[in-house]
Amino acid sequence: DTEVTQTPKHLVMGMTNKKSLKCEQHMGHRAMYWYKQKAKKPPELMFVYSYEKLSINESVPSRFSPECPNSSLLNLHLHALQPEDSALYLCASSQDSPFGSPFFGSGTQLSVL
Amino acid sequence: AQKVTQAQTEISVVEKEDVTLDCVYETRDTTYYLFWYKQPPSGELVFLIRRNSFDEQNEISGRYSWNFQKSTSSFNFTITASQVVDSAVYFCALGWGSGAGSYQLTFGKGTKLSVIP
Repeated sequence: DTEVTQTPKHLVMGMTNKKSLKCEQHMGHRAMYWYKQKAKKPPELMFVYSYEKLSINESVPSRFSPECPNSSLLNLHLHALQPEDSALYLCASSQDSPFGSPFFGSGTQLSVL
Repeated sequence: AQKVTQAQTEISVVEKEDVTLDCVYETRDTTYYLFWYKQPPSGELVFLIRRNSFDEQNEISGRYSWNFQKSTSSFNFTITASQVVDSAVYFCALGWGSGAGSYQLTFGKGTKLSVIP
């Protein structure tokens, strides 16, 4: 199994809603990541988890709350988002550097109305 | 500062032509990693290759080849005999270890390749 699975594939939410994005991998990778990609732009790092602990937060607003319940799962909880948060949210995982490379899921396309 | 420059925003080629995608990077680190990813219209980022800073060996994988030159801080990607299925946005990325086994990646702005039948 060499997949990173993200659900849902599409999500539309209002500014007062609470929703969660889910990411799962069964490759035994101990690093997991959230990236945000606006249309026609490159992905930008949001969070990094290493061994289930948050190791990097790239100054992301608190309306985005990551969670790593176990080594295979990564969630991104969303609350009170703004329309400018509409983007493709990509999850990735990797083996320990320098032996592995980040593998990405197909993303969740989020629209905030 | 870590930076990746992909000067070519969009490239169009006719099927079966060869095409080279350019990537220039900037870093002060002595240990770093270079990646190429493909992003088709479906949105998934597909891993193509990783190169470590201490390994300048060029690589060929089928129709794909990569040329890594530390002297010019470049990591260029060539597709030989392009096919319509190669149409996608290609990202070059610079990575470094961020502790506890993870990477931090910074991406170039991407090159959109269109292969015309």
